[in-house]
Amino acid sequence: AQKVTQAQTEISVVEKEDVTLDCVYETRDTTYYLFWYKQPPSGELVFLIRRNSFDEQNEISGRYSWNFQKSTSSFNFTITASQVVDSAVYFCALSEVYSGGGADGLTFGKGTHLIIQP
Amino acid sequence: GAGVSQSPSNKVTEKGKDVELRCDPISGHTALYWYRQSLGQGLEFLIYFQGNSAPDKSGLPSDRFSAERTGGSVSTLTIQRTQQEDSAVYLCASSSVRGTQYFGPGTRLTVL
Repeated sequence: AQKVTQAQTEISVVEKEDVTLDCVYETRDTTYYLFWYKQPPSGELVFLIRRNSFDEQNEISGRYSWNFQKSTSSFNFTITASQVVDSAVYFCALSEVYSGGGADGLTFGKGTHLIIQP
Repeated sequence: GAGVSQSPSNKVTEKGKDVELRCDPISGHTALYWYRQSLGQGLEFLIYFQGNSAPDKSGLPSDRFSAERTGGSVSTLTIQRTQQEDSAVYLCASSSVRGTQYFGPGTRLTVL
C-alpha cells in the first residue's frame, strides 16, 4: 500500500523567510510519480510539480524548489523569500505509473497549512 | 483552454435523497478521476476512468456510490440514499496519457 506523510500540520513564518515543507512517502512500486499541489483559500487544487521516480534531479522554478531523495523516500518543497500570497494548504501526493505512462489515483498526504504573516 | 468544470458548485440535500454530481474534463483528456475531501478523512481517491471504463471500483465508500462516464467525456458520480457522513467536497480531475491530474473547483455536498 502507498502512504504519504506530511508531518508538519501547520507552519507560520514571517514574509520573506524561507520555508521547507516536508514529504515522506512509502511505496512498493519501482516506478511512480510524486506531486505537489497547492490549495489556496478559494479551494481549488493547483498543480505545482510532478517528478518521475527515475529522475532525482532537483528542480527550481522561481522561488520554488524541490529536493527529491529516493534514498530517504523524501520529496521536500522549499519556498524562498516567502510572500503572503503563498499562504495555502500544500499537499504532497504519490501515484503508481501504468506501462502506458498514465497514472493511478493519487495518494495524498494530510497537507501542510502554510501561513505567511506580513 | 478551459479547465475541468464541475456542477453544481454547491448541493444541499436531505438525508435519504439521491444526488448526481457532474464533471466535465479538459478536452482531449482520456483519464478522469473522482476524489472526496473531508475534514476527517483528508483527500480520498474514489474511482478512475480510462475512456469509459473504470477498472477498479474498490475506492468507492459504499454500494450507494456509483459513477459512469459516457462518450469518453462527461462523468457523473451518483450517491443514493445520502447520509450525513457523505457531506464533503467532491473533486474531479482529468489527465492526458502523460499522467498529471488537473483538478476542477469541486462540488460541496451538504447532507442535512
